[in-house]
Amino acid sequence: DAKTTQPNSMESNEEEPVHLPCNHSTISGTDYIHWYRQLPSQGPEYVIHGLTSNVNNRMASLAIAEDRKSSTLILHRATLRDAAVYYCILRDGVDAGGTSYGKLTFGQGTILTVHP
Amino acid sequence: ETGVTQSPTHLIKTRGQQVTLRCSSQSGHNTVSWYQQALGQGPQFIFQYYREEENGRGNFPPRFSGLQFPNYSSELNVNALELDDSALYLCASSLRPRLARADTQYFGPGTRLTVL
Repeated sequence: DAKTTQPNSMESNEEEPVHLPCNHSTISGTDYIHWYRQLPSQGPEYVIHGLTSNVNNRMASLAIAEDRKSSTLILHRATLRDAAVYYCILRDGVDAGGTSYGKLTFGQGTILTVHP
Repeated sequence: ETGVTQSPTHLIKTRGQQVTLRCSSQSGHNTVSWYQQALGQGPQFIFQYYREEENGRGNFPPRFSGLQFPNYSSELNVNALELDDSALYLCASSLRPRLARADTQYFGPGTRLTVL
């Protein structure tokens, strides 16, 4: 799996936008960019994913650089509930016996602290 | 819609013992993946099951084994427990799309295993 690089930690104030960066300079043309987050004492939670174009959903937006070597997860108005570890992951799905599977390769992630 | 559930929540075992952890997939999902998360680290992929067969494995020894049942629930078995097996064990289910790179995984809350 291609590697990603994220800052160890970031801080934000409540109700302000948060931009979480991720570098993936060795991304291949078929890798999808996924973001998951893990709230304290919970399993990881899917946030968003994309391939080339920017993506929006009810949780966040994903901005992908034109060369795809970096991306940014955008939380438009941070809340205290958004305090979590955010993981940027490249999914490359490996073919095995004619079927494909996709494991998630988690790095260290970015610890996001949100101040009231 | 029922989410991913895992049992038990917590478990304490001694070195050399065997343990079985259980996972019920989200309704409609046919693929189950297992992850190990040591304290302060991101989750590490153990293996994935699809149609009751192991389909993809991470860097874990054979004493880590699993099963998937016709109702898509799953078990993780660990034999000859070692102290380093102490971790949070996470189960994730997904509905295998044609492109595994694009699928999303839904995680349970995990089972906290302590080996003494």
